[in-house]
Amino acid sequence: AQTVTQSQPEMSVQEAETVTLSCTYDTSESDYYLFWYKQPPSRQMILVIRQEAYKQQNATENRFSVNFQKAAKSFSLKISDSQLGDAAMYFCAYLDFGNEKLTFGTGTRLTIIP
Amino acid sequence: SAVISQKPSRDICQRGTSLTIQCQVDSQVTMMFWYRQQPGQSLTLIATANQGSEATYESGFVIDKFPISRPNLTFSTLTVSNMSPEDSSIYLCSVAIRRGETQYFGPGTRLLVL
Repeated sequence: AQTVTQSQPEMSVQEAETVTLSCTYDTSESDYYLFWYKQPPSRQMILVIRQEAYKQQNATENRFSVNFQKAAKSFSLKISDSQLGDAAMYFCAYLDFGNEKLTFGTGTRLTIIP
Repeated sequence: SAVISQKPSRDICQRGTSLTIQCQVDSQVTMMFWYRQQPGQSLTLIATANQGSEATYESGFVIDKFPISRPNLTFSTLTVSNMSPEDSSIYLCSVAIRRGETQYFGPGTRLLVL
């Protein structure tokens, strides 16, 4: 079974600085998707970024980018120019194409310090 | 993406009763899922809601406790039956427009069982 590990329960960053959230996963599959979702206090799960495993190029979405290391099974999220609105729980997730199952990590709570 | 609504947004229920949660999407989607998020925890998949047939349940979840309906491609319900305080959680539905694609989440239903 696939597992997703987020080793940082909490992180904090000064406003306007850069922070990196870590995620590792375990799978025997060669083709899959990886995601970062954000859950603010409103509890809505919001897609931040998606990475297809077959793509070597790291995904970027405005201030958000990933460092995808397929061989190391690592998928970190970098947030640049952190803003107060970035404060949330961040979940890393793995999608198995075969059974459509989305497996989540335990989450990292990000605090933005004004 | 898709616009997803859930009803109710929150509820407080007495033990032994049942609650039905609705998930409505603004467009036809292939896949619909139900997740549970216990307090301070990550998301766990309860089941995949299959249109026109019985839902596919994950290990640890059974139909008698969590009956699911999906009468069409835009609507699904999850019932939490014979509730106990341990059922107090956030219940989220998610959808994928096509198989193997990004899942988008509804706003969640916060359930408290007394």
